[in-house]
Amino acid sequence: SQTIHQWPATLVQPVGSPLSLECTVEGTSNPNLYWYRQAAGRGLQLLFYSVGIGQISSEVPQNLSASRPQDRQFILSSKKLLLSDSGFYLCAWSVGARTGELFFGEGSRLTVL
Amino acid sequence: GDSVTQMEGPVTLSEEAFLTINCTYTATGYPSLFWYVQYPGEGLQLLLKATKADDKGSNKGFEATYRKETTSFHLEKGSVQVSDSAVYFCALTRGQGGKLIFGQGTELSVKP
Repeated sequence: SQTIHQWPATLVQPVGSPLSLECTVEGTSNPNLYWYRQAAGRGLQLLFYSVGIGQISSEVPQNLSASRPQDRQFILSSKKLLLSDSGFYLCAWSVGARTGELFFGEGSRLTVL
Repeated sequence: GDSVTQMEGPVTLSEEAFLTINCTYTATGYPSLFWYVQYPGEGLQLLLKATKADDKGSNKGFEATYRKETTSFHLEKGSVQVSDSAVYFCALTRGQGGKLIFGQGTELSVKP
């Protein structure tokens, strides 16, 4: 069966520090991968998605970047965190040819102080 | 652009009450529609879906009908339980690599 792992689960970082959140998927090949952010009291915002290794699409201009160095690995990064980067980050995957059914990780809660 | 609007929460109900969470959407073409649920401290999981007009999605006693004429996909359950307490998200996709567009979420709290 397929599983998705996301870490760290919780992170407290000072403003200006770097960030790296990692997500890996097991049990499937060539998944579509996504990073969403859920800000407090708000809905989910799609940040990045990837249909293959090295292929990253950014949905909104921001302080973050994403990379996909391997087929089932998706990394969210920042060189210098802002207060507004605080939130709950969710990684998800889907089978490429099917639309809409996403499988989410358990999320990473980032607090920037 | 495409968008999803949900009724604001939090919604507080007593156990065995009837639940409706409203969801309307704006999209060109024929999107697929979804309800996702997020239990406390967890990621989201798919609750139900409908891929064309007049389809009814159902799961765990929840239902939603794809109404193209009113661009709506309201979530209903006849008798809620305390274990249904969660945040519910309405979402749509028009394909495009599987990207989902979510509503802002509606928090449901069910009291015994």
